[in-house]
Amino acid sequence: QKEVEQDPGPLSVPEGAIVSLNCTYSNSAFQYFMWYRQYSRKGPELLMYTYSSGNKEDGRFTAQVDKSSKYISLFIRDSQPSDSATYLCAMSTLLYNQGGKLIFGQGTELSVKP
Amino acid sequence: NAGVTQTPKFQVLKTGQSMTLQCAQDMNHEYMSWYRQDPGMGLRLIHYSVGAGITDQGEVPNGYNVSRSTTEDFPLRLLSAAPSQTSVYFCASRGGTGTTNEKLFFGSGTQLSVL
Repeated sequence: QKEVEQDPGPLSVPEGAIVSLNCTYSNSAFQYFMWYRQYSRKGPELLMYTYSSGNKEDGRFTAQVDKSSKYISLFIRDSQPSDSATYLCAMSTLLYNQGGKLIFGQGTELSVKP
Repeated sequence: NAGVTQTPKFQVLKTGQSMTLQCAQDMNHEYMSWYRQDPGMGLRLIHYSVGAGITDQGEVPNGYNVSRSTTEDFPLRLLSAAPSQTSVYFCASRGGTGTTNEKLFFGSGTQLSVL
């Protein structure tokens, strides 16, 4: 079993829809949680970063962490065609300068149709 | 400010050939790493370095060598390419202080095919 599981999709939604992307994990020591967005033929770029449990909002994007359920989510409100990309969750137990290694999910491919 | 630069963008090798994937960053980042990305597998860490002269293995190090002689450069060497190494390779770096230093900056990737 992978440490981090993510439904690969693909997920197709109409423009304006609310999108929910999710990851589950097995290691209860994870405490740093991230979402990366990757456009086709590009490298991933950091979208959201959360420490421990709770919610974080940035514009149309909301990241949620539920450590009791070992479950993280990314919500996209009013989705746009420009949101079409692969979304990867990532997490680590320690900060990188403490020796932490970032573990990625498989990525979910999202397509937002006009 | 170029960020993380990877070369080449595309490469085709025959089984048994060797090659080096180049990675350079101009952000004075301490940490550099190499990932491979395969369908359904996400990004898997191959090797990483926390500073010049220091390297360590990630999840899938077999078949790859690295060295870090300068802060800027972190080349990845395939000594004898195998079809199982067909993948997209990403170099990434991070640095600075505080929790924002967890942000990884990725290059644009190298698509490698081994025939």
